[in-house]
Amino acid sequence: QKEVEQDPGPLSVPEGAIVSLNCTYSNSAFQYFMWYRQYSRKGPELLMYTYSSGNKEDGRFTAQVDKSSKYISLFIRDSQPSDSATYLCAMSKAAGNKLTFGGGTRVLVKP
Amino acid sequence: GAVVSQHPSWVICKSGTSVKIECRSLDFQATTMFWYRQFPKQSLMLMATSNEGSKATYEQGVEKDKFLINHASLTLSTLTVTSAHPEDSSFYICSATGGQGTEQYFGPGTRLTVT
Repeated sequence: QKEVEQDPGPLSVPEGAIVSLNCTYSNSAFQYFMWYRQYSRKGPELLMYTYSSGNKEDGRFTAQVDKSSKYISLFIRDSQPSDSATYLCAMSKAAGNKLTFGGGTRVLVKP
Repeated sequence: GAVVSQHPSWVICKSGTSVKIECRSLDFQATTMFWYRQFPKQSLMLMATSNEGSKATYEQGVEKDKFLINHASLTLSTLTVTSAHPEDSSFYICSATGGQGTEQYFGPGTRLTVT
């Protein structure tokens, strides 16, 4: 069993819809949680960074962490075709430590 | 966010030769840099962690004599793929952390093709 599980998709939504992404993990030692967006043949781009449980909002993006359930989510409001990419969740046990990634979810936002 | 660059962005080499990839943090000092490899339609796999001035820590299964990592300064780390083989063909991505936050910022990646 992988430490971090993420549905590979693809997740197809119409433009303007809410995109809902999530990851589950097994190691309770993870304390820092991140979401990255990766376009084809490009490096990952950091979208959201959260510490421990709770919610964080930044523009169209909302990240949620539920440590009791070992479950994290990312919501993208008012999705645009330019949001079509692979979204990777990642987590670490301590600040600045190596990241453990989920497998990534491919998202397609159709005009 | 902070900026990390990689050079080259794409390299083709012949089997048996060595290739060096550079990773630079452009606007912050990177206390730690990480090297990842990514195969098509797969997630990132951590290869090694390097701290400035010390030896890199390699993940299990990664050949340290084949993938040489040097982190000589707070803004530069290099990955050298020695005696490259076609199975080393992959997308290599570095990341860096340091400065004010603990976020990890990624470079744009280097596509290596070994013929």
